[in-house]
Amino acid sequence: GNSVTQMEGPVTLSEEAFLTINCTYTATGYPSLFWYVQYPGEGLQLLLKATKADDKGSNKGFEATYRKETTSFHLEKGSVQVSDSAVYFCALSEGAGSYQLTFGKGTKLSVIP
Amino acid sequence: DTGVSQDPRHKITKRGQNVTFRCDPISEHNRLYWYRQTLGQGPEFLTYFQNEAQLEKSRLLSDRFSAERPKGSFSTLEIQRTEQGDSAMYLCASSPGGGSGSYEQYFGPGTRLTVT
Repeated sequence: GNSVTQMEGPVTLSEEAFLTINCTYTATGYPSLFWYVQYPGEGLQLLLKATKADDKGSNKGFEATYRKETTSFHLEKGSVQVSDSAVYFCALSEGAGSYQLTFGKGTKLSVIP
Repeated sequence: DTGVSQDPRHKITKRGQNVTFRCDPISEHNRLYWYRQTLGQGPEFLTYFQNEAQLEKSRLLSDRFSAERPKGSFSTLEIQRTEQGDSAMYLCASSPGGGSGSYEQYFGPGTRLTVT
């Protein structure tokens, strides 16, 4: 079956530090890949997506590149802010009639001033 | 467009009682999903509707759980004879059908269930 593995948290960074959250996946087909973010007290929000190999998704300064050869979709941001403190979830969808999302366990990021 | 809404936001019930949750998707989204999220975990898929048809069900969805989407708009998730292990956040999501954005799911705020 499909699975998503992401780095364990929590991750604590100082403001303006570089962020990487690793995500690798196992899927039988060619999935679409997503990063969702959950800010404190709020619901899940789509952060970015990529639908095929070598696609780069980007939003709000975050980026992730779909790497089929390494089955990875690592999230990066060059300079984090306190407002980026949240839980980040990597997810995949097989599509092709099965649209359920398979999520990783989430990585909690805390950014300190 | 007000987004996906869920009601109630919180529910406390005693073990053995039945509970029902409602989800209103984004209008014109014909796909609707239910997930369950426990503390420290990512959401886990429960079931999926395309219009009024329930097309996928996870093995997590025991026979105590039932979901409906009678007119292809709002959906309800009922849990019968609740158990303490049912305590979780129940999330609803919707997505449009077809096209390049068809795999993007938009989530509601969730219903937090506590079974005492």
